[in-house]
Amino acid sequence: EIVLTQSPGTLSLSPGERATLSCRASQSVSSSYLAWYQQKPGQAPRLLIYGASSRATGIPDRFSGSGSGTDFTLTISRLEPEDFAVYYCQQYGSSPFGGGTKVEIK
Amino acid sequence: QVTLKESGPVLVKPTETLTLTCTVSGFSLSNARMGVSWIRQPPGKALEWLAHIFSNDEKSYSTSLKSRLTISKDTSKSQVVLTMTNMDPVDTATYYCARLNWNRHASLDYWGQGTLVTVSS
Repeated sequence: EIVLTQSPGTLSLSPGERATLSCRASQSVSSSYLAWYQQKPGQAPRLLIYGASSRATGIPDRFSGSGSGTDFTLTISRLEPEDFAVYYCQQYGSSPFGGGTKVEIK
Repeated sequence: QVTLKESGPVLVKPTETLTLTCTVSGFSLSNARMGVSWIRQPPGKALEWLAHIFSNDEKSYSTSLKSRLTISKDTSKSQVVLTMTNMDPVDTATYYCARLNWNRHASLDYWGQGTLVTVSS
């Protein structure tokens, strides 16, 4: 079973700054199936990125995904107040999630 | 539009069996490009994928919980049912169902609002 490790666990940044989140797989995974989700307190997760780099419907272009093999990255180019949340990666919709990265206001 | 809604008991006792239902609309469970996953989240903790069912009735389960889980579907009722046996207080969590969409590279593109299940005597 592939294990996804997300880092850092918490990222403390200010609005307007750039956020770089990492998702590392225990073995090579198909980038076609790597997705990122955003979850705000009290809400269900929301799909941000699928296929490692494709934005889901309605997701602003400040969110971008990249990577291949075992290393994947979610980048938020300029943090908006509504972007402070927890972010999860998942290889495939029927497989385990990473442990999450919390992006908090510094 | 696509919606998923979880339903089931709010409170279960230790050792009991939990049965949760996910009722979907806006897509068919017989659509070969779609499936449904169950995910849970203990309070303050990370998401945990539990189980999945495909349109052809193929199923997959979390390795750690496989012995306790059963997933099934009733296409005519647009419902996916998850049962979890031998519930324990550590199983207290919000349980979500979500649609897996092969057109979105097998990602979970729509989620239910979740239902909080508390395990306590």
